[in-house]
Amino acid sequence: LAKTTQPISMDSYEGQEVNITCSHNNIATNDYITWYQQFPSQGPRFIIQGYKTKVTNEVASLFIPADRKSSTLSLPRVSLSDTAVYYCLVGDGRGNTPLVFGKGTRLSVIA
Amino acid sequence: EAGVTQSPTHLIKTRGQQATLRCSPISGHTSVYWYQQALGLGLQFLLWYDEGEERNRGNFPPRFSGRQFPNYSSELNVNALELEDSALYLCASSLPAGAYGYTFGSGTRLTVV
Repeated sequence: LAKTTQPISMDSYEGQEVNITCSHNNIATNDYITWYQQFPSQGPRFIIQGYKTKVTNEVASLFIPADRKSSTLSLPRVSLSDTAVYYCLVGDGRGNTPLVFGKGTRLSVIA
Repeated sequence: EAGVTQSPTHLIKTRGQQATLRCSPISGHTSVYWYQQALGLGLQFLLWYDEGEERNRGNFPPRFSGRQFPNYSSELNVNALELEDSALYLCASSLPAGAYGYTFGSGTRLTVV
C-alpha cells in the first residue's frame, strides 16, 4: 500500500481557502486518492475521491498532478465548522485491500 | 436511507471481561470493516468481512475476533479486555466492487476499567 504524508496540523481564518497537500510517492497505477474528514468522537466522512487531474464537488476540490505523486485537497472559504482532522488515503478503489488511515491533518479554523 | 448503525454507543467493562460490539451496514453493502481509534490517535484497521468471510485482518492479537451474519451485520468481540483496549471502535461498510466510499458509523466508545 502506498504510504501517504501530510502535515500534522494547519491553522486558518474563517473565509479563507485552505489547501492540504498529501504526498504519495509510491502510488500504483490502479490507486485512487480519497479524502475523509473526521470530527471528534465521530466516524470519518467521505469528502472526495479522484484518480487524476481535478475533481470538484459541492464540498471541496481535489487537484492531482500528472505524476500523481501528490494531491491537494482544497476547501473554499472555510468556516469554524470545518475544524476537523482530514485524512488522505491511497488504494486500488476496488476493495481488494482495506483503507489504511495515517495520522491525518488537524485543521483549526479561527474566527 | 439509514446509515451504518453501531451499538452500544458506550460500553464500560472491567479488565479481563469480554466485550461485544455490533454493526449494521447500509442496505446493499456487503463489506464491513472494523477500526480501532485510541484517544488522540489515528484509525487502526482491525478486521474486514465480506459475504460472511473474513477477508483481511490487521495487526491485532487473536483475542480480537468477529463475524458477519447472513444479513451482513457484524459483531466484534474482544476477549480478556486490557486497559489499552479503551478506544472508539468504528465500523464502516461498502459495496464489494468499486468499494471506495466507505461509510462509517458513529462508533462505540469502549472504556476498560
